[in-house]
Amino acid sequence: EVKLVESGGGLVQPGGSLRLSCAASGFTVSSDVMNWVRQAPGKGLECVSVIYSGGRTYYADSVKGRFAISRDNSKNTLYLQMSNLRAEDTAVYYCARDVSWGYDYWGQGTLVTVSS
Amino acid sequence: QTVVTQEPSLTVSPGGTVTLTCGSSTGAVTSSNHPNWFQQKPGQAPRPLIYDISNKHSWTPARFSGSLLGGKAALTLSGVQPEDEADYYCLLFYGGIQRVFGGGTKLTVL
Repeated sequence: EVKLVESGGGLVQPGGSLRLSCAASGFTVSSDVMNWVRQAPGKGLECVSVIYSGGRTYYADSVKGRFAISRDNSKNTLYLQMSNLRAEDTAVYYCARDVSWGYDYWGQGTLVTVSS
Repeated sequence: QTVVTQEPSLTVSPGGTVTLTCGSSTGAVTSSNHPNWFQQKPGQAPRPLIYDISNKHSWTPARFSGSLLGGKAALTLSGVQPEDEADYYCLLFYGGIQRVFGGGTKLTVL
C-alpha cells in the first residue's frame, strides 16, 4: 500500500528556517517524480518544487533560491528545506507522487505558519 | 507568468450533469499539457480524479470523465451526487517540467 506521511511543520518567525519531511512506504521515492504542493489558508494549490528520479529539480519562482528539495534513499524520505521564510509561505504543505503525468498519491499535509 | 483559469463557482442539481473547464493563458490546452483533475473537500487533502486528459484512477467513480473541449481541458460529472459538492482543481504541465494549478471551481449541489 502506497502511503505518504509529512512532518516537520510548525510556527516559525519570518526569516527563519524549517525542514519538512515526507516518509514514503509502498514504493521507492528515488524511482518516481516527487512533488511538494502547498495551499495557503482559504486559497488554491501551488506546486512549489519537484524532484525527478534522475535528480533534476524544479522550483516555483516564488520559492526559488530559498527552498531546496532533496531525498534520502536509505530512509525512503523526501525533504523540503525552507529558509528565509516569509508570511506568504504560510500554508499546508503536501507531498505528492507523480507517475506517468498523473499525481496519484498525496500525504495528509503539514501546516507551516510564518509569524512573529 | 502562466495562468490556468477555471470557473470560480458552479451550481448543479442532484442527478444533473455539469462540465468544469480549465484554460491556459498560453493558448489552447493540448495533450502535451497532460491535464489532471482533483477533488478537495474541507479539511482534506486533494483527491486525484483524472490524469493525462481522460484516464481515471482506480478509485475514480464512473460518473467523472475528462476530455479536451474547445481548447480547454474539461471535467464532466454525470448524474451528480450530493457528495460531489467540493472544490475541483485542474493541473497543467508545461514543457514537461512546470506544473500550474488552476484557481479551483467550487461546485455546489443544490
